[in-house]
Amino acid sequence: AQSVAQPEDQVNVAEGNPLTVKCTYSVSGNPYLFWYVQYPNRGLQFLLKYITGDNLVKGSYGFEAEFNKSQTSFHLKKPSALVSDSALYFCAVRDRFSGGYNKLIFGAGTRLAVHP
Amino acid sequence: GAGVSQTPSNKVTEKGKYVELRCDPISGHTALYWYRQSLGQGPEFLIYFQGTGAADDSGLPNDRFFAVRPEGSVSTLKIQRTERGDSAVYLCASSLGTGTGHEQYFGPGTRLTVT
Repeated sequence: AQSVAQPEDQVNVAEGNPLTVKCTYSVSGNPYLFWYVQYPNRGLQFLLKYITGDNLVKGSYGFEAEFNKSQTSFHLKKPSALVSDSALYFCAVRDRFSGGYNKLIFGAGTRLAVHP
Repeated sequence: GAGVSQTPSNKVTEKGKYVELRCDPISGHTALYWYRQSLGQGPEFLIYFQGTGAADDSGLPNDRFFAVRPEGSVSTLKIQRTERGDSAVYLCASSLGTGTGHEQYFGPGTRLTVT
């Protein structure tokens, strides 16, 4: 079965420190991976995606993610956290049996709290 | 430009009632998706439209759920005989196309509470 796991319910980090939000996946074949962020009372916003190519993907708001095939991971990172980065983050994988469109399978989410 | 809009933002209904949730996608987006997000969980796929037709409704939990998109733009998710377990945030997303290069843009959601 295809799935995405976000092992941490919450990540706490001090402002200015680097942050990592973890994601592992279980997909046969080559995965298409995504990160979305959800602010309170707002819709999910796309951050970045990995389809093919460079394992390090750069996205919006200074975020990046590293695809690691051997560890089946796609961790989200940022060199220097901001208080405004505090939100709920979702990792997602495209259902490879969806017939060519982006039917997404989401993880349970990780709440990021950045403290001043 | 305008993003995906959903109405109402909140809906409280009694068990057994019928509800309709509306999604207005970004203009020109041909692909439209509905997801359901229960408390403490990630969104779960419900149904996908390409144009006016439901190309994949495999995520609809049962036959009480139905969705339409008659003119290929606005979509309505309809839930009959609501149950308390239907309480969740219902998210709509649209995209310009269906390939991996086309990200989904999400609306703010409709929070449905069934009492």
